[in-house]
Amino acid sequence: GENVEQHPSTLSVQEGDSAVIKCTYSDSASNYFPWYKQELGKRPQLIIDIRSNVGEKKDQRIAVTLNKTAKHFSLHITETQPEDSAVYFCAATFTGGGNKLTFGTGTQLKVEL
Amino acid sequence: EAGVAQSPRYKIIEKRQSVAFWCNPISGHATLYWYQQILGQGPKLLIQFQNNGVVDDSQLPKDRFSAERLKGVDSTLKIQPAKLEDSAVYLCASRRWKQGAGANVLTFGAGSRLTVL
Repeated sequence: GENVEQHPSTLSVQEGDSAVIKCTYSDSASNYFPWYKQELGKRPQLIIDIRSNVGEKKDQRIAVTLNKTAKHFSLHITETQPEDSAVYFCAATFTGGGNKLTFGTGTQLKVEL
Repeated sequence: EAGVAQSPRYKIIEKRQSVAFWCNPISGHATLYWYQQILGQGPKLLIQFQNNGVVDDSQLPKDRFSAERLKGVDSTLKIQPAKLEDSAVYLCASRRWKQGAGANVLTFGAGSRLTVL
């Protein structure tokens, strides 16, 4: 089955700096890669996703890049703000096989003033 | 649209007792998932339903966990008997079963936090 590794486990940045979280996946058939943000005590919420036919996707301050050859994808947050502080999870799945997401272990992002 | 509803939000039980969690997915969402999230870890899939049929329950500890989705709408997840290591948040998620934009997006409920003493 799919295995997703995520790094770093914790990340502390100064407000206004950029943050990068990286994930690698094992199943070359995976073709959909969402990122979820989970604030303390709350549900995971989708912030951005990318499909395998696209190398990069951007939504305001958030971007995701995908390298299919290397089987890794990354989340980039620019101009970080205190409200970006949360746990971020990457995930991967093959949409033709039931679409069951395999999640990474999470990155605790702290944006300091 | 209304979100994924779950109850109870919190439950504390003694080990060897039983507990049941309920989930009502977004209207029209054919696919329903139960995930277990242990503190400090990512969600782990327990079971996936497509309408009222099980698609994947390979990671469900079937000696103590059971789940059903009668009539293809609401779902219940039961643990009997509970162990200390079952302490976690149980997240329900749903997804519509159609092609097109957004078809792969899972929407999560707020979760049911279980503490086993």
